[in-house]
Amino acid sequence: KAGVTQTPRYLIKTRGQQVTLSCSPISGHRSVSWYQQTPGQGLQFLFEYFSETQRNKGNFPGRFSGRQFSNSRSEMNVSTLELGDSALYLCASSSLAGGQPGELFFGEGSRLTVL
Amino acid sequence: QKEVEQNSGPLSVPEGAIASLNCTYSDRGSQSFFWYRQYSGKSPELIMFIYSNGDKEDGRFTAQLNKASQYVSLLIRDSQPSDSATYLCAVIRGSGGYQKVTFGTGTKLQVIP
Repeated sequence: KAGVTQTPRYLIKTRGQQVTLSCSPISGHRSVSWYQQTPGQGLQFLFEYFSETQRNKGNFPGRFSGRQFSNSRSEMNVSTLELGDSALYLCASSSLAGGQPGELFFGEGSRLTVL
Repeated sequence: QKEVEQNSGPLSVPEGAIASLNCTYSDRGSQSFFWYRQYSGKSPELIMFIYSNGDKEDGRFTAQLNKASQYVSLLIRDSQPSDSATYLCAVIRGSGGYQKVTFGTGTKLQVIP
């Protein structure tokens, strides 16, 4: 069974640009959540999608947005990039229906550097 | 006060010793508690979870939960150098689709050969 796939793995942007990250969950998983990981703040929850609907949202500004498609693939977008957006962005999928609550399967992440 | 607190470490233990990792949480409504391990440059992976007060053992790992005191711990027996990683505590409130997952900042464990 293929794992969670995130693309791109690495990217460099400049301030003011925007970026789109993609996540393909494990086949059959309908829940996709996104996290930002930085050395100082740890893993911070961005948002979670289930069946194309955003169900939960963290405390991030509106520059951070996401969506989920009918095949459960998800994208997140960050507009007007700031230096502080440099981080590892992790996507996690969960089966919820059959799995235990909170059992998240993470992708390898997309490392964003903003210059 | 952070919702989930962990000592950032590093926690250094000699090979073969017991490593004790602790996590405290502020939300008394929290229901599920998970431990993830993250190797440097890798993504987190689930080690184990616990829902009820008491101990839960899985191989060399034991999770302990005390809801009254709002802490959860992870014990690693016979620590190996391969256990060197950052351990993340995750606290979940809610169930099914509507759950809030909050991670601690992690404790870095170093097992010295």
